[in-house]
Amino acid sequence: NAGVTQTPKFQVLKTGQSMTLQCAQDMNHNSMYWYRQDPGMGLRLIYYSASEGTTDKGEVPNGYNVSRLNKREFSLRLESAAPSQTSVYFCASIWTGDEAFFGQGTRLTVV
Amino acid sequence: SQQGEEDPQALSIQEGENATMNCSYKTSINNLQWYRQNSGRGLVHLILIRSNEREKHSGRLRVTLDTSKKSSSLLITASRAADTASYFCATLNTGGFKTIFGAGTRLFVKA
Repeated sequence: NAGVTQTPKFQVLKTGQSMTLQCAQDMNHNSMYWYRQDPGMGLRLIYYSASEGTTDKGEVPNGYNVSRLNKREFSLRLESAAPSQTSVYFCASIWTGDEAFFGQGTRLTVV
Repeated sequence: SQQGEEDPQALSIQEGENATMNCSYKTSINNLQWYRQNSGRGLVHLILIRSNEREKHSGRLRVTLDTSKKSSSLLITASRAADTASYFCATLNTGGFKTIFGAGTRLFVKA
């Protein structure tokens, strides 16, 4: 039982490049989330998906897009990376109203 | 701004002492959760308290919730060096799916 799996674990991008962060969960959870964590800070919600087929903006959605491909997978796309998007990105899944299970994070550096 | 705000931002105590962290939030909630994050790692769920509960215990953890004051506290009793980590509160808004995190309290337990 893997829980929440994120790929890649590390990535370096040049300004203007694009990339997709992948997240998959095997717990049959309805809700999935993408957060970013800047050094010494808490987590800020980028986008979330309450159920398959729906996505909604969180606190800091600008510069990102998401796709809820199916119940298991929720991807985050940076179309044109900027240095301000350097951060650690965490995916989480939740059984409605319950605790969140987190992936191990993707460390992204934009140079 | 973030829903949950923890204080203090940092706390340094001796092993064996108790550690208390507080969290305030702004809107009505379905539940409030506390998470721990060791340096460079993903978040681990500690305890969840629902809006109709006032106090909850789990091992050395005690959480209280005061919905009239929109605040919660996390007490770790008889702290250990291994408790050194960042602690975050997170709130799930009433009727929604957004789980929002605070900025965290960094706890240092000296052996």
